[in-house]
Amino acid sequence: SQQGEEDPQALSIQEGENATMNCSYKTSINNLQWYRQNSGRGLVHLILIRSNEREKHSGRLRVTLDTSKKSSSLLITASRAADTASYFCATSLRGNEKLTFGTGTRLTIIP
Amino acid sequence: DGGITQSPKYLFRKEGQNVTLSCEQNLNHDAMYWYRQDPGQGLRLIYYSQIVNDFQKGDIAEGYSVSREKKESFPLTVTSAQKNPTAFYLCASSIQGLDFYQPQHFGDGTRLSIL
Repeated sequence: SQQGEEDPQALSIQEGENATMNCSYKTSINNLQWYRQNSGRGLVHLILIRSNEREKHSGRLRVTLDTSKKSSSLLITASRAADTASYFCATSLRGNEKLTFGTGTRLTIIP
Repeated sequence: DGGITQSPKYLFRKEGQNVTLSCEQNLNHDAMYWYRQDPGQGLRLIYYSQIVNDFQKGDIAEGYSVSREKKESFPLTVTSAQKNPTAFYLCASSIQGLDFYQPQHFGDGTRLSIL
């Protein structure tokens, strides 16, 4: 079963704008990860945030985690055409080595 | 460069045929995983292995089999019992840390279709 649900399912923005996508999950987690997938390719790990962290940055990426609302957001600032991809959140439960992936947000950057 | 290699990139299966998807990694990772991705959907776990000669079923193991005879290799066989095998198959690996929550590294997938 899907643990995470991304919102929106699809997002189109102009190059240079910021893109925000959200992930909600159902049960308590150990950590939450965000991945990017370009069309027809494998997933690339972007960032991991642990359950005791609230915010994390990596370059143009900013991830927040609100465990009380069971939700996370991924912000991509100053978007570029190369950011066009699908973005997935994945959660890991305590004592469980498996990752459970959401259904993804398809991001399109319009040049 | 270290990474994960999946082959072939495209594979076609005839009715009643078993096919094997290859996954090789040179990252020295202990854990390896197989996922299935259907159009517009997320990844679903088929099998995973934390150590050589050991593997566990994921959420959708029926109709699939795996082996882990070498640390570097984790082949997936799609058997004739899998009635709807058309999908994009992704292999991944990760360091097996004590706390388990490690990022996974992915190959570029094998797209399997029915003839």
